Amino acid sequence: KAGVTQTPRYLIKTRGQQVTLSCSPISGHRSVSWYQQTPGQGLQFLFEYFSETQRNKGNFPGRFSGRQFSNSRSEMNVSTLELGDSALYLCASSLNGGGVDTQYFGPGTRLTVL
Amino acid sequence: EDQVTQSPEALRLQEGESSSLNCSYTVSGLRGLFWYRQDPGKGPEFLFTLYSAGEEKEKERLKATLTKKESFLHITAPKPEDSATYLCAVQVRGSQGNLIFGKGTKLSVKP
Repeated sequence: KAGVTQTPRYLIKTRGQQVTLSCSPISGHRSVSWYQQTPGQGLQFLFEYFSETQRNKGNFPGRFSGRQFSNSRSEMNVSTLELGDSALYLCASSLNGGGVDTQYFGPGTRLTVL
Repeated sequence: EDQVTQSPEALRLQEGESSSLNCSYTVSGLRGLFWYRQDPGKGPEFLFTLYSAGEEKEKERLKATLTKKESFLHITAPKPEDSATYLCAVQVRGSQGNLIFGKGTKLSVKP
C-alpha cells in the first residue's frame, strides 16, 4: 500500500508570495492533518480535514488555510509569506480521525522563505 | 494547558548500551499516546500506540510503557541504525486529528 505523498518536496519563495502544498493520503484514509515543524517549536498542529470539512484548527494566523477534495487529497495554502514560515510542513493521514486513530506521516515539504 | 515534555533532549549511547527515553504529559483527558521515530529530512515513522496505564508494547529492540503521567521508550542493546529523533505525542479527548507533540529526544548510537 502506498504511503502518504507530498508535493513538492522542496520550495523556495520570497517574502510576500503565496504557496500551495499538496498531500495525497493513504488509500482509504479520509482524515488529513497538517503540521508545521521547526527546530524551535517542534511539530505544531495546523488543521485537520475530514470529508472535505475542517474539523479542527490550531493556533495559526488566517494566512494559513487548507481544503480537502472529494478523493481525500488535501492542499494547504500560505499567503503573504513571512521569513518565520520557513519550516518543514508535514501531512498525516488516518482512517477517520476519530477515536484513537493512528496518523501516518508523509515525507514533508521543506519551505524556505527568503 | 495540555503539554508533553520529553527528556533528555539528546542521548549518546555506545552500541549495546541499553537506556530509556521519557515522555511526561499533562492533559485534560488522554485518548492515546503515540511514539514516532524521525530520521533527518524525513517524516515521522509510527512506532507504537498506548491507550491506558499499565499497557506495554514491543517491537524488536524497543519497548514502550505507559503510566498515568508518563511513558517510557526502552531501547535494549541499541545499534547504530537506531540513531534518530524519537517523538512522543498525545491525542486528547474532544480534539479531532490533533496530536500534541513533545520536542523529541535525539538518540545517537556509536559503534
